[in-house]
Amino acid sequence: QQQVKQSPQSLIVQKGGISIINCAYENTAFDYFPWYQQFPGKGPALLIAIRPDVSEKKEGRFTISFNKSAKQFSLHIMDSQPGDSATYFCAASRPHGGATNKLIFGTGTLLAVQP
Amino acid sequence: NAGVTQTPKFQVLKTGQSMTLQCAQDMNHEYMSWYRQDPGMGLRLIHYSVGAGITDQGEVPNGYNVSRSTTEDFPLRLLSAAPSQTSVYFCASSYSTGSGSPLHFGNGTRLTVT
Repeated sequence: QQQVKQSPQSLIVQKGGISIINCAYENTAFDYFPWYQQFPGKGPALLIAIRPDVSEKKEGRFTISFNKSAKQFSLHIMDSQPGDSATYFCAASRPHGGATNKLIFGTGTLLAVQP
Repeated sequence: NAGVTQTPKFQVLKTGQSMTLQCAQDMNHEYMSWYRQDPGMGLRLIHYSVGAGITDQGEVPNGYNVSRSTTEDFPLRLLSAAPSQTSVYFCASSYSTGSGSPLHFGNGTRLTVT
């Protein structure tokens, strides 16, 4: 059962444009929403993360927008660059009885930024 | 710092063979986990461990075993390989077991089962 739905599956953006990737979740117990970036042949790496008590978080050209009532969050990449070409995963986690860091990942978005 | 090290990088197995994927981290992280990555399915949690001697199942544990005898190592064993286990496997660790502690991933093992 997919608890975090991610779209689009792939995205092509021109250099300098805005890339937008969307995710939706079902479980209202989720309390942490990270985005991971993965380059070919490498493991994913944390890019930016947000908790549901804020509606937006910005780090450089990367911004997470969070809509708690709609149970949706999105990643915006401003001034997209060819070096941003990668696969992006949204994820969510919630506290467990054993305090485990179990991330549930979306299906990924392959971003290609054309020069 | 080496971070999370996975070996081997590539492996080809025949159906029914067994093998162990190795994972080691040098960051003294409490939490370690194994994910598999398949096209269109994202990353799915196989097994995880919140400390030495403690392991538990994730979303897709069937056909895999794990153990955690030390803080540093978390091997994943395929008992009898099947073509459905063809995938890229990632080991990840985090400092804390709490929600919000960033996961540090290795560079993966690409496994093909024929």
